[in-house]
Amino acid sequence: NAGVMQNPRHLVRRRGQEARLRCSPMKGHSHVYWYRQLPEEGLKFMVYLQKENIIDESGMPKERFSAEFPKEGPSILRIQQVVRGDSAAYFCASSPAGANTGELFFGEGSRLTVL
Amino acid sequence: QKEVEQNSGPLSVPEGAIASLNCTYSDRGSQSFFWYRQYSGKSPELIMSIYSNGDKEDGRFTAQLNKASQYVSLLIRDSQPSDSATYLCAPNGGSNYKLTFGKGTLLTVNP
Repeated sequence: NAGVMQNPRHLVRRRGQEARLRCSPMKGHSHVYWYRQLPEEGLKFMVYLQKENIIDESGMPKERFSAEFPKEGPSILRIQQVVRGDSAAYFCASSPAGANTGELFFGEGSRLTVL
Repeated sequence: QKEVEQNSGPLSVPEGAIASLNCTYSDRGSQSFFWYRQYSGKSPELIMSIYSNGDKEDGRFTAQLNKASQYVSLLIRDSQPSDSATYLCAPNGGSNYKLTFGKGTLLTVNP
């Protein structure tokens, strides 16, 4: 009974490169959320997606960041031209369709280090 | 700016004692409140939710909510070393997916 799966768990990129983080939600879940945890900071909401739709991207930086959740395959968080300030843990969470309990099931995160 | 304030800790308690974790929030639109536990290097895990003023008990955990004071707390009775983790307070800010997390309180339970 797999939980939320994220990969890679650790990613190192040099400034200017691209980072792609993948998230497969729990079986039966069709809602995906991305949160970012900067060092010494709390988790911050980035984006909420359903299959093929971005529902709320109010927490996403306006430039260089994008997210998708295609009909088939995992959700992808893409960071173009990474900078040192992008170094953080990126957590994906999922919930079942129609659920509004606030119970989000988190993956173990992808830790991005930008050199 | 929606803010959630928690003591960063570390909060150290002996095994068997009561651990008290506190949280204040600024967004009066929050209607639901969640406590997540995060072990070092691991994912946050929901342990308690509370929606109404008062107390809510679940096993060794009790959540307390006072919306007028914009205050929510988590009590852990009979603390165990396995409770050692960072506890994150998360009001929903009017949306159950856009949680506003505090920085968390690091709890250490000493055997």
